[in-house]
Amino acid sequence: KQEVTQIPAALSVPEGENLVLNCSFTDSAIYNLQWFRQDPGKGLTSLLLIQSSQREQTSGRLNASLDKSSGRSTLYIAASQPGDSATYLCAVPGSGGYQKVTFGTGTKLQVIP
Amino acid sequence: DAGITQSPRYKITETGRQVTLMCHQTWSHSYMFWYRQDLGHGLRLIYYSAAADITDKGEVPDGYVVSRSKTENFPLTLESATRSQTSVYFCASSTGGNQPQHFGDGTRLSIL
Repeated sequence: KQEVTQIPAALSVPEGENLVLNCSFTDSAIYNLQWFRQDPGKGLTSLLLIQSSQREQTSGRLNASLDKSSGRSTLYIAASQPGDSATYLCAVPGSGGYQKVTFGTGTKLQVIP
Repeated sequence: DAGITQSPRYKITETGRQVTLMCHQTWSHSYMFWYRQDLGHGLRLIYYSAAADITDKGEVPDGYVVSRSKTENFPLTLESATRSQTSVYFCASSTGGNQPQHFGDGTRLSIL
């Protein structure tokens, strides 16, 4: 059974700092991996989806990397802003797709002005 | 506005009652999903649907019923609510089983 771990559970950084969020998974036979952010009282917003054939995916100040062999993905946030404060989750679909998805429990990020 | 909407946003009910959570999307996405989010368990898939009239179980389907008579709607019914079903429920949709998912804002359900 796929297990997805996100460490740390919480992170507090000063504004402007670059930071890295981690996502580890146990079964490397994945199709893709998706990063989400969740604001309090809201649903999840898809940030990046990185295919298993890709090493990196970028969107603005966000960069996601994927290393299937080591079972790791990282989300890099450049020049963090208070508006980046949220919980970040990664999700790994099973071999059949998101019908068998495993979510990480998330990293709660606070960016201090 | 286009998007995915859930109703109600908040619901309080009693054990044994039937309750239905609604989900409506305007993108004509073929896939729709229901999740529950609990402290200590994260997000878990309850049911999903690949197309109208096609539904299948996720990780935690017991006590829930779904239907998908129209592409845009995917209601989730708790036939006889129990306290263990107190949770935040999210609906999501996507164009394919491995495509980015788009989530609604959730329904916070409390069962007394």
